[in-house]
Amino acid sequence: DVKVTQSSRYLVKRTGEKVFLECVQDMDHENMFWYRQDPGLGLRLIYFSYDVKMKEKGDIPEGYSVSREKKERFSLILESASTNQTSMYLCASTLGQGNRQPQHFGDGTRLSIL
Amino acid sequence: AQSVTQLDSHVSVSEGTPVLLRCNYSSSYSPSLFWYVQHPNKGLQLLLKYTSAATLVKGINGFEAEFKKSETSFHLTKPSAHMSDAAEYFCVVNMNNNDMRFGAGTRLTVKP
Repeated sequence: DVKVTQSSRYLVKRTGEKVFLECVQDMDHENMFWYRQDPGLGLRLIYFSYDVKMKEKGDIPEGYSVSREKKERFSLILESASTNQTSMYLCASTLGQGNRQPQHFGDGTRLSIL
Repeated sequence: AQSVTQLDSHVSVSEGTPVLLRCNYSSSYSPSLFWYVQHPNKGLQLLLKYTSAATLVKGINGFEAEFKKSETSFHLTKPSAHMSDAAEYFCVVNMNNNDMRFGAGTRLTVKP
């Protein structure tokens, strides 16, 4: 089975801090994704990457950046955390191109910005 | 453009009774459709997927869904609810790239 591991389940940070959320997958998947999940809004795509050092903006990239230096690792960075970035963050990966492959998700990081 | 609408934000059933979670989609092309389940404080787990093969798709834990192109629907069903089915369910459409669109979710409550 595919394993997507997010480094922290719960994280509390302060306004203005630089925050790193880490995600690792063990199945050599090309594509990796970062979402945030808020009640009533479903999942919204922040960024995705289809190859090492490649990144694409999703629907809500403002206030975030990403890094993909190795194929298995995809990091989400909050440059200067704000309270409106308090949310559940989910990482996912998928194999190859096209729309036939399902995404595999990590267990999420619940981030609180105080 | 593509989008997905889950018609009920909350569904409540009694244990042992049927489950119906409704999903409608809009897509200009032949989509792939997925249902995921999320238990509290967990990630999303794939229940089933439709990728242009059989229109009736069977998934895990006794769930199934039927793709109806004429109605642009992909409703999720289960004949008999179990307490462990209580969770949030997401309908997802993927058109022709890595752009997955998620419904807002349906919370399923199962009463004893």
